[in-house]
Amino acid sequence: GAGVSQSPSNKVTEKGKDVELRCDPISGHTALYWYRQSLGQGLEFLIYFQGNSAPDKSGLPSDRFSAERTGGSVSTLTIQRTQQEDSAVYLCASSLDRSAGYEQYFGPGTRLTVT
Amino acid sequence: LAKTTQPISMDSYEGQEVNITCSHNNIATNDYITWYQQFPSQGPRFIIQGYKTKVTNEVASLFIPADRKSSTLSLPRVSLSDTAVYYCLVGSSGAGSYQLTFGKGTKLSVIP
Repeated sequence: GAGVSQSPSNKVTEKGKDVELRCDPISGHTALYWYRQSLGQGLEFLIYFQGNSAPDKSGLPSDRFSAERTGGSVSTLTIQRTQQEDSAVYLCASSLDRSAGYEQYFGPGTRLTVT
Repeated sequence: LAKTTQPISMDSYEGQEVNITCSHNNIATNDYITWYQQFPSQGPRFIIQGYKTKVTNEVASLFIPADRKSSTLSLPRVSLSDTAVYYCLVGSSGAGSYQLTFGKGTKLSVIP
């Protein structure tokens, strides 16, 4: 079946604008994760969904960041009033469930550039 | 949260065995250890996962000592295509704790 897909693949936006990043997880995967990867850096955990609920939002860097997941499937990460430091690759991953022993499948990422 | 520490980079010649060690001194009882591989402009890809002792699959082995404060990813007979960044991940889905911690990654360069 299809893997995790993300859109858009690239997004260039002006400072102060809002952006929405979309993630389509693998069908049947109940757990969904968002990460951020700045140039040459490791992965920074942002938020985790189990179904439609997000038990842990503590990784979101500021209140300009929010995420939702509807129907236990598609997730949207929204960044309001973008800043240049938001420029990074935003990666989404899904896994079959949240139990220990999970394997996360990553999408190709959305490269966000804030000018 | 279990913080992880890995070497920043490693070089190896083709055909050699490569061992990458990750330190995770504060690993919790419920935490699993997972390794991912990432090529440029791609998302990370699962390699192997373990809880204790040794795990082996078709691409790698994972060695975890009894105290679980470190783990070693072993790649047998590496090729040029193994040049990538390797991440050590420690995390669990225990109640109240869904935080996942990636190390900064080890950039492996395989030399012909």
